[in-house]
Amino acid sequence: GAGVSQSPSNKVTEKGKDVELRCDPISGHTALYWYRQSLGQGLEFLIYFQGNSAPDKSGLPSDRFSAERTGGSVSTLTIQRTQQEDSAVYLCASSSPQESTDTQYFGPGTRLTVL
Amino acid sequence: RKEVEQDPGPFNVPEGATVAFNCTYSNSASQSFFWYRQDCRKEPKLLMSVYSSGNEDGRFTAQLNRASQYISLLIRDSKLSDSATYLCVVNEAGGYNKLIFGAGTRLAVHP
Repeated sequence: GAGVSQSPSNKVTEKGKDVELRCDPISGHTALYWYRQSLGQGLEFLIYFQGNSAPDKSGLPSDRFSAERTGGSVSTLTIQRTQQEDSAVYLCASSSPQESTDTQYFGPGTRLTVL
Repeated sequence: RKEVEQDPGPFNVPEGATVAFNCTYSNSASQSFFWYRQDCRKEPKLLMSVYSSGNEDGRFTAQLNRASQYISLLIRDSKLSDSATYLCVVNEAGGYNKLIFGAGTRLAVHP
């Protein structure tokens, strides 16, 4: 079946602009996670959704970052007034209560470059 | 101290070699442990879960030592296709299934 999809795959923007990143989880997966990976670094947790609620948003680095999820499916991560340090790969993952909730399936990521 | 620490490598080994990766984690209450594999410019993919009793999947063996808060991955008879970054991952204790990733260990297998 279809895996997690993300769009765009690449985004180049100018410092100070807003960007929106989209994630389509695997159908039926109620849990959705956003991570980011800076060059040469491990993945850093940003936010977790269960359904449309975000019980853990402790990883969002600043108030310029926000995320929402609608219909228990698609999620968007918005970064306002982008800075160069926001450049990274933003990865989305989803998991299902029918499987071990520990298994998270990752999308291909959005590579964000802030000039 | 990082929550999950790994030797960054790179490990450069010939085909057929046995290679071992180590990882330590700081939260003694962590309950779930994994190895993920990440190819260059690709997303991470689950390689295997790690259990206290140890588990094996073909050429791959994972071990967990809770007392030492230490996780290992052994790859036997390395193949060229094993070249990748191996990520040690711990499920945050008491959290919402939040995964804490190590920075990864790079493996390069050469002919």
